Amino acid sequence: GENVEQHPSTLSVQEGDSAVIKCTYSDSASNYFPWYKQELGKRPQLIIDIRSNVGEKKDQRIAVTLNKTAKHFSLHITETQPEDSAVYFCAAIIFGNEKLTFGTGTRLTIIP
Amino acid sequence: EAQVTQNPRYLITVTGKKLTVTCSQNMNHEYMSWYRQDPGLGLRQIYYSMNVEVTDKGDVPEGYKVSRKEKRNFPLILESPSPNQTSLYFCASSYSSGANVLTFGAGSRLTVL
Repeated sequence: GENVEQHPSTLSVQEGDSAVIKCTYSDSASNYFPWYKQELGKRPQLIIDIRSNVGEKKDQRIAVTLNKTAKHFSLHITETQPEDSAVYFCAAIIFGNEKLTFGTGTRLTIIP
Repeated sequence: EAQVTQNPRYLITVTGKKLTVTCSQNMNHEYMSWYRQDPGLGLRQIYYSMNVEVTDKGDVPEGYKVSRKEKRNFPLILESPSPNQTSLYFCASSYSSGANVLTFGAGSRLTVL
C-alpha cells in the first residue's frame, strides 16, 4: 500500500519568515495530494491540494509543489504569521482507490 | 449549517464493553470515512464507505466494525474495546470520494481502561 513520509516533525520559524514542509510518497499511481491544517484542539481542515497533472498551485501565502518523478511534494508558507502555528498533515491517494494515506504531521510554531 | 457530527465527544470505558461512536453528515455526501489520531502516527484510516451498503477497510481496521445503512450515517463500532484503542477518532465525509475535500467532525476522544 501507499506510504507517506513527512519531514520535519517539528518546525519553528520567526514570524515573517518562510516555512517548508516536505512529503514523499511510495506509490507512483497516487494522483491527489491534499494538505490539512489542524489547530490545537480543532479538527483538520483542508488548506490546499494538488492533482498530479499540475506541478504547482498557489493560494495567497500558501503554495504546494509536486515532483512526480521524485515522488515528493512540498508545502510552502511565506510571510508566516502567528495564526499559522498548527499541525500540518500531507496525504496521498489514488483517485478511485479511496484509501487516503496521511503523513505523520509537522508541528509548526511561529515565533513572534 | 453543513457539518459532520460525532457523538460522544468524550468517552471513558472499560475493556470489553461494546461501544458505538456515531457519525452523521447533512451534506448528502457519498463518501464517509473514519480515522484515528495518535501522537507521532498522524491520521490513520480505519474504514471508508463509498455509498450506502458499500464499505471497505483502511489501514488499521482490526478491532473495528462499521455500517452504512443510510447515506447520512456511518457509525464506528468497537465490539470489545482494548486499551490500545485509546485514541482520538475523527469521522469525515466528502461529496464523492477520498480524492476530494474532506469535511471532518469535531473528534471523539476515547479512553479504554
